[in-house]
Amino acid sequence: QLQLQESGPGLVKPSETLSLTCTVSGGSISSSNYYWAWICQPPGKGLEWIGNIYYSGSAYYNPSLKSRVTISVDTSKNQFSLKLNSVTAADTAVYYCARQGGALDYWGQGTLVTVSS
Amino acid sequence: EIVMTQSPATLSVSPGEKATLSCRASHSVSSNLAWYQQKPGQPPRLLIYGASTRATSIPARFSGSGSGTDFTLTISSLQSEDFAVYYCQQYNEWPLHAFGQGTRLEIK
Repeated sequence: QLQLQESGPGLVKPSETLSLTCTVSGGSISSSNYYWAWICQPPGKGLEWIGNIYYSGSAYYNPSLKSRVTISVDTSKNQFSLKLNSVTAADTAVYYCARQGGALDYWGQGTLVTVSS
Repeated sequence: EIVMTQSPATLSVSPGEKATLSCRASHSVSSNLAWYQQKPGQPPRLLIYGASTRATSIPARFSGSGSGTDFTLTISSLQSEDFAVYYCQQYNEWPLHAFGQGTRLEIK
């Protein structure tokens, strides 16, 4: 059974960089036909697709976040990561990682990141 | 940039009755549309992909239809565990795989 688990700081200061890692277990991140995605959900609000990456390193980003986002992959560790720089309070959200083969079929449990001084 | 619009924002239905949720794309997404269910404190769960194919372990009371710009999620006989928020998402147009804003399905 494929499992994904987000990890990283739960509190980030304004203007700093949010960094999260997603560890994939029960399957290989190098599987063909799947991308690995990040999605966020501000408290009480809807879902926002941040971007995704293929195991080869090709990444795609939401145009509204593209200037601040970097997604990377480490196939040796079966992990992929999210960096979001210059964060503000508006970036406070639950961040999910997920497998994407078109639709998002496996999700992590999510991790709440609060942006506050 | 594609925009996904769901309606209604909130739907009140009695258990045992049918619920019909709508999702409209600002331009065609072919059949590259998914539906998700989200309960409080949980990640979304994939219900439907390819506009009409149920994901693994999803009960037959959930069905999806539509193509192009107009899509429907139907829950034929609501069970207590079906009251949740539902999202549609397109994955036809890259790089933005936009979600709709969600429909909250509540008990009437």
